[in-house]
Amino acid sequence: NAGVMQNPRHLVRRRGQEARLRCSPMKGHSHVYWYRQLPEEGLKFMVYLQKENIIDESGMPKERFSAEFPKEGPSILRIQQVVRGDSAAYFCASSPVSPGTDTQYFGPGTRLTVL
Amino acid sequence: GEDVEQSLFLSVREGDSSVINCTYTDSSSTYLYWYKQEPGAGLQLLTYIFSNMDMKQDQRLTVLLNKKDKHLSLRIADTQTGDSAIYFCAETRNTDKLIFGTGTRLQVFP
Repeated sequence: NAGVMQNPRHLVRRRGQEARLRCSPMKGHSHVYWYRQLPEEGLKFMVYLQKENIIDESGMPKERFSAEFPKEGPSILRIQQVVRGDSAAYFCASSPVSPGTDTQYFGPGTRLTVL
Repeated sequence: GEDVEQSLFLSVREGDSSVINCTYTDSSSTYLYWYKQEPGAGLQLLTYIFSNMDMKQDQRLTVLLNKKDKHLSLRIADTQTGDSAIYFCAETRNTDKLIFGTGTRLQVFP
């Protein structure tokens, strides 16, 4: 059973470009979470999604950031018009059932560098 | 508040025990977790404890939970150089998200 997969592992963008980060949850998992880790810091929750639904986006910046988890295909975290402050590691996690009762398993992360 | 705090660094000699501490603020925490992050890698789940427990042991790992003081610790017995990493504690309440601590960088020297 493959773990949580994220791609690309490394992404370089110039200021003003768009970044698209992909996450494929573990097989059988229908809950996806995105976290951001700034350099030398812990992880901060961004958004929690189930298939076709955003459940909690309380950690998402109000502008430029969006996330989706379509019926088919991976979850996508999209950052429009990137700025240098968006440089970070973005981690996706998945869990199979209701949160709080099942642990979240993390992918290897996408390291975004904005030039 | 949502603060989960850890000391930043810990240095131990190979073969000794390591104890990594974590304090949290919300008494409604339901599950508490320990994750390990090696350089350039994702987070590996090490162990977790439900809030109605006070201890859990899993091979070289022992988790102690003092709910009264909101204090969680991870003890690694017979620490090896491969244990060098950043260790994060995290909590969930009755919500969906993990609240992470700042991470403790463990360095094991020969």
